[in-house]
Formats: sequence, C-alpha cells, structure tokens
Amino acid sequence: DIQMTQSPSSVSASVGDRVTITCRASQDISSWLAWYQQKPGKAPKLLIYAASSLQSGVPSRFSGSGSGTDFTLTISSLQPEDFATYYCQQANSFPLTFGGGTRVEIK
Amino acid sequence: EVQLLESGGDLVQPGGSLRLSCAASGFTFSNYVMSWVRQAPGKGLEWVSTISGNSGTTYYTDSVKGRFTISRDNSKNTLYLQMNSLRAEDTAVYYCTKYLGSCSGGSCPRWFDPWGQGTLVTVSS
Repeated sequence: DIQMTQSPSSVSASVGDRVTITCRASQDISSWLAWYQQKPGKAPKLLIYAASSLQSGVPSRFSGSGSGTDFTLTISSLQPEDFATYYCQQANSFPLTFGGGTRVEIK
Repeated sequence: EVQLLESGGDLVQPGGSLRLSCAASGFTFSNYVMSWVRQAPGKGLEWVSTISGNSGTTYYTDSVKGRFTISRDNSKNTLYLQMNSLRAEDTAVYYCTKYLGSCSGGSCPRWFDPWGQGTLVTVSS
C-alpha cells in the first residue's frame, strides 16, 4: 500500500499569510494526487486534482505542485474561510489512501 | 446540480449488520464509478470501497474484505454498502462520493467529487 505523509499536522497562521502544506508518498505516484478541504461537521471538498489542476469554483489562491513522491498545497493569502483541515489523497493505485491531515488554525 | 444523499446509519451492536444507501441525482449515474469513504470520530479519511459503473469491478480496503459488499442499482440511481460482522472500529461517518469524471480508455480519474453529507454508523453494545 502507498503511504501518504502530510506535514505539518497543524499550522497556526494569520489572515493574509502564505501557507504551505506538504505531502509525501511512499512511492512514485506521478501526478496522481488530490487535495481536499474539510471544515468541522462538513464533507470534504475537492480543491486540486492531478497534483496541480484547480477544481472548478475553487479560488485561485489555492495551488498545487509536485510530482513523483513530493507534493505541495499552497494558499497564497489565507482568508477567514480557509481555516479547516486539508488532506492529500493518492489516486495512483488501490487501496486509495489519504494523508493524515493538516489542520490550519487561526494564530 | 449533482447531489448525493446517504441514509441508513444507525447504532448497531458488534457482530450486527447494516445497509447504507446513497441516492444520486443530477448526473448520469451509470456512467460514473462510485465509492464509500469513512471517517472515524476525530480521525482522518479512509477509503472503504469502489464500484464501477456497470458493477463489474469492485475494490475494498483490506479491513472490510469479506464483511462489506458494495453494490448499485442503476435503475434507481442508488449506491449501497452492506455491512456485516460489524466491529467497534467500523464506527465512523460514511460518505458516498463519485469520481470527478467518467473513465476513458481504461484510465479513471480517481478524484472524489462531490461528497454526500455522510451518515453515522455507531457500533457499540
């Protein structure tokens, strides 16, 4: 199974800050990676797919990069509605696996 | 608008059974691969199972193989998850979700979008 490791597990940031979350796969997954945002009590929402493609309707302050084993989700200017937990997911092979999550908190 | 509405979650004793349903609307259900993903209380996301559009192919995470069965009824636009021999560690919110796009040339976009609101399964005596 492909293990997905996210870091940090939590980050404290202020509105307007640039935030970067990393995700590392235990083996090469090419660009088969997605990022999701989840707010408390809500279902996850797809932000980025194929490592760097922005899902329709997602603000352009979100961006994704990377390939192979190392990936990054960047929020260029943190907004109040961005405080949430973020998950990466590998889509290269079954079993599909998620990272442990990164909680973005208000500083 | 694509909508996924789960139902069937409940409190069940260890060893018991439950069937979850997911009613889909707003898209051609039979054209899309569907999945179940769960989230234990306070924990992260865990993929559970996936089924192809024609039900010909199914996948399961190891911890549910032999106990859970995914199925679909394309005439009713409904996805199911039959859960038997339930354990305490199966306690979670179960989400129904679809692949972002349809499969083409043997390649499937295994990104999940959208997700239903989830249904809570509690396994406890």
